[in-house]
Amino acid sequence: SQWGEENLQALSIQEGEDVTMNCSYKTYTTVVQWYRQKSGKGPALIILIRSNEREKRSGRLRATLDTSSQSSSLSITGTLATDTAVYFCATEYQGGRALIFGTGTTVSVSP
Amino acid sequence: EAGVTQSPRYAVLQEGQAVSFWCDPISGHDTLYWYQQPRDQGPQLLVYFRDEAVIDNSQLPSDRFSAVRPKGTNSTLKIQSAKQGDTATYLCASSRDWGGYEQYFGPGTRLTVL
Repeated sequence: SQWGEENLQALSIQEGEDVTMNCSYKTYTTVVQWYRQKSGKGPALIILIRSNEREKRSGRLRATLDTSSQSSSLSITGTLATDTAVYFCATEYQGGRALIFGTGTTVSVSP
Repeated sequence: EAGVTQSPRYAVLQEGQAVSFWCDPISGHDTLYWYQQPRDQGPQLLVYFRDEAVIDNSQLPSDRFSAVRPKGTNSTLKIQSAKQGDTATYLCASSRDWGGYEQYFGPGTRLTVL
C-alpha cells in the first residue's frame, strides 16, 4: 500500500472549532491532493500542495507537506456544519495522473 | 460546464448476473478514470484511459471486469458474473490533460450484489 499511518478515522466537533487531519505516504510524489466527499457525492478537490511547497492556504483550509517525513496535514479553521464530509489525501499512482487515496477521515460538524 | 455524469445511480443484482456502468466525462477532458470505492474506504483505481487508449488496467480485479472508451468520449465499465465482493460504489472521473492534476468525479453508481 502507498499509505503508512492513516488519518484518524472519525472526528466529531462543534461548529466554530478547528480540526486537523494527517496522512503519511510511502513512495515519492510530486503533489498531494486533498479531496472532500459529501454523502452521496463523488470526491471533490479542495486543495493541492506540491512537493516544493511546505504550506498552502485556501480560505479556511491549510495544507502542509513534509517531504522528508512523507507526511501531509489538512487543517480547517472555524468549521461549519457544511464541512461535514469524509476527507481523503491522495498521491500519484506510479507517477501518472491517476490517484491513490488514503482511507479517509470522517469529520462531523454539529451546528 | 456540465459535470461528469454516470448511470445508473444504483444497481442491485444477484450473484452471477452482469452489469454495465456508463460514464460521460466533462467535454474536452481527454483522460478518464474508473475507481471502485468499497463502503468506508477510499476510492481505488481500476483503469484509466487517455482518449480511447487504455493507459493502465492492471488494477482491474479480474477478467470479469472490462472497460472501454471506443471514441475517446463516453466509457462503459462492465462486470460479468458479479460476486458479493463486488459490492461497492463505482466512480468515474475525468481530467483535462496530462498537465492538469485535478480530477472531476461523477456521483458514482452504488452496486449491491446479493
